[in-house]
Amino acid sequence: DTEVTQTPKHLVMGMTNKKSLKCEQHMGHRAMYWYKQKAKKPPELMFVYSYEKLSINESVPSRFSPECPNSSLLNLHLHALQPEDSALYLCASSQSSGIHQPQHFGDGTRLSIL
Amino acid sequence: SQQGEEDPQALSIQEGENATMNCSYKTSINNLQWYRQNSGRGLVHLILIRSNEREKHSGRLRVTLDTSKKSSSLLITASRAADTASYFCAMISSGSARQLTFGSGTQLTVLP
Repeated sequence: DTEVTQTPKHLVMGMTNKKSLKCEQHMGHRAMYWYKQKAKKPPELMFVYSYEKLSINESVPSRFSPECPNSSLLNLHLHALQPEDSALYLCASSQSSGIHQPQHFGDGTRLSIL
Repeated sequence: SQQGEEDPQALSIQEGENATMNCSYKTSINNLQWYRQNSGRGLVHLILIRSNEREKHSGRLRVTLDTSKKSSSLLITASRAADTASYFCAMISSGSARQLTFGSGTQLTVLP
């Protein structure tokens, strides 16, 4: 079992729906990340939160809206997604955003856009 | 943009053999990390090697780093069927960007 918990594991939604992905960690980590991973490709960074503040946004379309309500939780709000947004969305955390900190990943939410 | 390329893209070996995966990258780095991803699961951190280190060991894993050639290798000794997974190198570039950038990955299959 991973120490980063993501819900739901699978999500199917239409292009007009609004949904949210959730991520939770209780390791006391102060940096949290969202990645997008297409099949047979490496993860691509979307957002970084450090001490609950958004520190990096990798030019992600506004239909993806991250939120960090507290140091243990990270949400990704989805609205008006496109079929090409179908992917595995991975959450990760690290002790801090320092450069020598390994990241701990959840098992992801597999998102399908109809 | 992708910073690292891995070679080979796919590797199939028999249980008990050693597996070697290579990673090449483009710019100067602070560290290089290796992650494993089992099918349908998240990534698991395996080992981190800093730019001033040349070799690191962890159990059956041995990682080397050659900053002059901008390359790293991951050796898994005495492989097991449970080692079957995708392996990614990932790096933190020197300079202002502190995000982890992943290589293209190697799919390792260990046959029992």
